[in-house]
Amino acid sequence: DQQVKQNSPSLSVQEGRISILNCDYTNSMFDYFLWYKKYPAEGPTFLISISSIKDKNEDGRFTVFLNKSAKHLSLHIVPSQPGDSAVYFCAASLSVRGNEKLTFGTGTRLTIIP
Amino acid sequence: DTGVSQDPRHKITKRGQNVTFRCDPISEHNRLYWYRQTLGQGPEFLTYFQNEAQLEKSRLLSDRFSAERPKGSFSTLEIQRTEQGDSAMYLCASRLSGSGNTIYFGEGSWLTVV
Repeated sequence: DQQVKQNSPSLSVQEGRISILNCDYTNSMFDYFLWYKKYPAEGPTFLISISSIKDKNEDGRFTVFLNKSAKHLSLHIVPSQPGDSAVYFCAASLSVRGNEKLTFGTGTRLTIIP
Repeated sequence: DTGVSQDPRHKITKRGQNVTFRCDPISEHNRLYWYRQTLGQGPEFLTYFQNEAQLEKSRLLSDRFSAERPKGSFSTLEIQRTEQGDSAMYLCASRLSGSGNTIYFGEGSWLTVV
């Protein structure tokens, strides 16, 4: 049962344009969402997060949007740069005492074309 | 400011052998997590510690797997009688209680069982 889904395994974007990565979730109890970036043979690096009390969070070139009614979040990267080429994972968690698990999607491989 | 450190980074072992991975969390982080990632999948939660106490274990963690965190500092993950299906990247992460839900990953330990 895949509770967090990233339906696009890959995405190619021209350098300088906007990259939009999408993520859907099925568990309406999830209340905290994160995006991680991963280079080959390295661990995931935290990018940005959002709490369910917000619908948008920005950090430099990265913006995450959350649509709770649609159970959908997206990561916007603008402008896209070659160093952004990596696999991006979204993750969700439930802020209940004693629950520490992050549930990850299967990732989207982003390729920035120079 | 050192991040999460994992050792060894790569391990090739024969089926049936035991392997042990070590994780040193970010200094003062009292929560420590183990995840596993296989090709084409996102990280999957295995277990977590608060200080030296192991508080949650996933059903993915079979009897052949054991994790410890003596003295609440570094942690070890041991896999006994390895099987080819154990081949994966083993990721350690940590965070400080009360500092939000974001966890910070190490660079991972690749295991190949031949």
